[in-house]
Amino acid sequence: NAGVTQTPKFRILKIGQSMTLQCAQDMNHNYMYWYRQDPGMGLKLIYYSVGAGITDKGEVPNGYNVSRSTTEDFPLRLELAAPSQTSVYFCASSYSPREQYFGPGTRLTVT
Amino acid sequence: QQQVKQSPQSLIVQKGGISIINCAYENTAFDYFPWYQQFPGKGPALLIAIRPDVSEKKEGRFTISFNKSAKQFSLHIMDSQPGDSATYFCAATTNNAGNMLTFGGGTRLMVKP
Repeated sequence: NAGVTQTPKFRILKIGQSMTLQCAQDMNHNYMYWYRQDPGMGLKLIYYSVGAGITDKGEVPNGYNVSRSTTEDFPLRLELAAPSQTSVYFCASSYSPREQYFGPGTRLTVT
Repeated sequence: QQQVKQSPQSLIVQKGGISIINCAYENTAFDYFPWYQQFPGKGPALLIAIRPDVSEKKEGRFTISFNKSAKQFSLHIMDSQPGDSATYFCAATTNNAGNMLTFGGGTRLMVKP
């Protein structure tokens, strides 16, 4: 099993550009999550999904959108990128919210 | 109510020493307290977890101590090794469906050889 995979690993965006961060899992988990991690800060939940077709906002959803058309995939869309979105983004999945499996992360810089 | 406060932010320990990281919470509905370990350039990984019906859980050199009345829990790493150098996050959640993990701010641990 590959676990949770994320692409790309690194990305530099210009202010105002858009992009999609890809996340896929092969563990048949219903729950999937997107977090951002800023230096010296903890993990902040952006969006989560409890199953295909069901998504909900986390703590910091502004500036992001998600979709969940399949169990395996949970892409995160950034529209009109801003410097405040410079961060490391982690996708995770789980059977329940208690024990989450994280991907390797995407380091995004917006300049 | 959902906050989990973690200290210290960074910690330097000599090889063979004991590393101690503390977390405090406010929400008395929390009933599951995991610790995640994150190596540089990697995603966090579940290390050890505890439920509030026990005061301590040990797995190898890693021990969680839990004080329900004080609403505090801590991670102890015995005989710390350079390979333990990582960032550690505490977290908490409730048993209610839809409630997600609330993470502490993280502790960057460096174990000096």
